[in-house]
Amino acid sequence: EAGVAQSPRYKIIEKRQSVAFWCNPISGHATLYWYQQILGQGPKLLIQFQNNGVVDDSQLPKDRFSAERLKGVDSTLKIQPAKLEDSAVYLCASSLEQGGNEQFFGPGTRLTVL
Amino acid sequence: LAKTTQPISMDSYEGQEVNITCSHNNIATNDYITWYQQFPSQGPRFIIQGYKTKVTNEVASLFIPADRKSSTLSLPRVSLSDTAVYYCLVGDMVSNFGNEKLTFGTGTRLTIIP
Repeated sequence: EAGVAQSPRYKIIEKRQSVAFWCNPISGHATLYWYQQILGQGPKLLIQFQNNGVVDDSQLPKDRFSAERLKGVDSTLKIQPAKLEDSAVYLCASSLEQGGNEQFFGPGTRLTVL
Repeated sequence: LAKTTQPISMDSYEGQEVNITCSHNNIATNDYITWYQQFPSQGPRFIIQGYKTKVTNEVASLFIPADRKSSTLSLPRVSLSDTAVYYCLVGDMVSNFGNEKLTFGTGTRLTIIP
């Protein structure tokens, strides 16, 4: 079974530039999550989708971050414009359903903002 | 919000049994306890989940006392490959309202010594 795919694996941009990350969850998984993990900290949930609807985006900085999951499969996370403090690893995860199911994480995208 | 407290770091020798304890004094009735493992440059990986008493799988055991205010992840006969960060999560596994179950703390950095 293929795991969660993410691209790119690494990205370096300058502040005020825009960047987008892509995630392809495990086939059949209805729930998709985006996390931000700053060096030395645990992952922080940014947004959770159930199919193509948003379940929770309370910790998403909506002035600069946006995410979509068209057709309830792939998802993209965008930052526009990026700030220095956005430097982190962005993790995508998926699970069969919401409510306690095991989450399967992708390898993450390491973003460096200069 | 059920907050968790774990030791920041632990060291152990190969072949030993390692026990990592997590405190969650204000755990709610519907809350489950879930542990994830994270290796450098990878996303977290589900280890085990439980509600009460003892749960065992091929990787680890999870011990939960009757009051459920703490839990202990037990790794039998650790090897160098068990060096990782271990996260304890507590949250509502049923309704998924709010994002309690999706809150990772700073975790416990476990180092296995040859």
